Amino acid sequence: DTAVSQTPKYLVTQMGNDKSIKCEQNLGHDTMYWYKQDSKKFLKIMFSYNNKELIINETVPNRFSPKSPDKAHLNLHINSLELGDSAVYFCASSQASVSGNTIYFGEGSWLTVV
Amino acid sequence: AQSVTQLDSQVPVFEEAPVELRCNYSSSVSVYLFWYVQYPNQGLQLLLKYLSGSTLVKGINGFEAEFNKSQTSFHLRKPSVHISDTAEYFCAVSDVQGAQKLVFGQGTRLTINP
Repeated sequence: DTAVSQTPKYLVTQMGNDKSIKCEQNLGHDTMYWYKQDSKKFLKIMFSYNNKELIINETVPNRFSPKSPDKAHLNLHINSLELGDSAVYFCASSQASVSGNTIYFGEGSWLTVV
Repeated sequence: AQSVTQLDSQVPVFEEAPVELRCNYSSSVSVYLFWYVQYPNQGLQLLLKYLSGSTLVKGINGFEAEFNKSQTSFHLRKPSVHISDTAEYFCAVSDVQGAQKLVFGQGTRLTINP
């Protein structure tokens, strides 16, 4: 069973559309994340949720809205997509209550905005 | 705030040769250190991490890294590489205290030539 799974893996959409990426973890972790990897492979955290509460929001445009219905799920909704949103989005999870615990990543969602 | 610098964007080596991927970090607080590997079109997988104790850390796939506090470095090494080690390698740090998030370096593309 995949520990952190996200769908869809590939998404091609037009500018101005609204899209969502779903993420689920079956590790029993208390914290989930969204990271963005740009075209130069640079990885940066976007959001972090601990027990469904937002704890990190790294100055991401408010077109990006994460939603955590429960501890095992963290979805990412993007409104009014722009060309610059094209990237790979990684969901991740960890048991943050354990200091230094490993952050596990999903396989990524490749978003292309045309 | 932390920052991570991976000194080489690309490292080509021949199969069965040794390799070192360099990583330096900057932080005003104590940090944990990580190396992740990303195979083509896949997510990130943890290779190894340093939390405390012995400065030489052994990870999966024959990799090891040495934490050097005075030089603020965490270089990754493997004595003999294989074709299957071709991937992107990311060094990352996280704050020992506070919200758990990873700050990544720019990545090093390791290419193994036969």
